[in-house]
Amino acid sequence: DQQVKQNSPSLSVQEGRISILNCDYTNSMFDYFLWYKKYPAEGPTFLISISSIKDKNEDGRFTVFLNKSAKHLSLHIVPSQPGDSAVYFCAASAQGGSEKLVFGKGTKLTVNP
Amino acid sequence: DAGITQSPRHKVTETGTPVTLRCHQTENHRYMYWYRQDPGHGLRLIHYSYGVKDTDKGEVSDGYSVSRSKTEDFLLTLESATSSQTSVYFCATQQGLGEQYFGPGTRLTVT
Repeated sequence: DQQVKQNSPSLSVQEGRISILNCDYTNSMFDYFLWYKKYPAEGPTFLISISSIKDKNEDGRFTVFLNKSAKHLSLHIVPSQPGDSAVYFCAASAQGGSEKLVFGKGTKLTVNP
Repeated sequence: DAGITQSPRHKVTETGTPVTLRCHQTENHRYMYWYRQDPGHGLRLIHYSYGVKDTDKGEVSDGYSVSRSKTEDFLLTLESATSSQTSVYFCATQQGLGEQYFGPGTRLTVT
């Protein structure tokens, strides 16, 4: 039973355009959500997070939106750059982030010059 | 960035041999985790530790054991490696709430 789902294995966008990566979750106890970026042959690096008390969090070009009623979150990257090409993992946790992280399978983003 | 190193970075071993992977951190983080990453599966938790000598199983713990005798070191042992354990293994640390910090990974091939 997959509790965190990233239904798009891959996404391709043009440089300068918006990238939108989606994530759905099934466990209503999840209240803390994170996005990680992973380059080949490197470990995942933390990108941005959001608590369930918010519906939006921004950090530079990256914005995460949370729709609790739909159990859906999305990561927007504006504008997209070729260096953003990586695998993006969505993760969720309960108890305000103190529980173990549950990861989605990842979405490979390719930003074309 | 938490100072996390993993050793070895690459290893090829034969079926049936024991293998130990090491994770070392310099940030004095309380929690440590071992994940494996496989195509089509994302990151799956193998074992984790919430303190010295305190460990627990994750979702894919069969065939693996761990030990944590010091805050800075978390060892993952495959007692008898199988081909299904060919994977990339990541260690992560976490101080309290929120994000985990990942090491660079160990690519293990079991032939």
